[in-house]
Amino acid sequence: EVQLVESGGGLVKPGGSLRLSCGASGFIFSTHSMNWVRQAPGKGLEWVSSITSTSGYIYYGDSVKGRFTISRDNAENSLYLQMNSLRAEDTAIYYCVRVGNYGSGTNWGPGTLVTVSA
Amino acid sequence: QSVLTQPPSVSGAPGQRVTISCTGSSSNIGADYDVHWYQQLPGTAPKLLIYGNRDRPSGVPDRFSGSKSGTSASLAITGLQAEDEADYYCQSYDSNLSGWVFGGGTKLTVL
Repeated sequence: EVQLVESGGGLVKPGGSLRLSCGASGFIFSTHSMNWVRQAPGKGLEWVSSITSTSGYIYYGDSVKGRFTISRDNAENSLYLQMNSLRAEDTAIYYCVRVGNYGSGTNWGPGTLVTVSA
Repeated sequence: QSVLTQPPSVSGAPGQRVTISCTGSSSNIGADYDVHWYQQLPGTAPKLLIYGNRDRPSGVPDRFSGSKSGTSASLAITGLQAEDEADYYCQSYDSNLSGWVFGGGTKLTVL
């Protein structure tokens, strides 16, 4: 069974940093692209970042470009999101997503809540 | 403002059929990128419902179907059930953004 479990969320002050982790199991992690998607309270889904299987290609949404860094460790079956210069508008549940058939989000973790507030 | 446009809400009585539209542009759906649909029940993570415009993952009932034409896509749900009450999102890829784009979500209410 595929499992994705995010961790590292919490309360942080504006301008602060946080590192999210996602542990993967139940599939061959090193062969799949992975994405981070977020959802602000009461709002819709927003794509944050993508990383290909060998980290050869990395992309970011405009709202986080230059502040967030995605990475992965295929030996540890883990995905990461380093978030710097956090703003109130970054407050959201952050989901780790496995990219599957035809580029769809085949599996989603339960999410981790990031709250940016003074 | 989402890149893909969905109606904010739709509703239907049990047993009825409803459709949810998803409109994009020439850099995403119109560029022949696939459309995928997700169901999000209250308080839970999104779940893949339709991938590749019309295919269902294992376990998704055939009451759910997807289609795509031009710069738009649609999700149809037949034989509405109370458990279908949820938020539904369409998603595609955008060549200008080099990433995923989502619709704003549609809240389905079963009357």
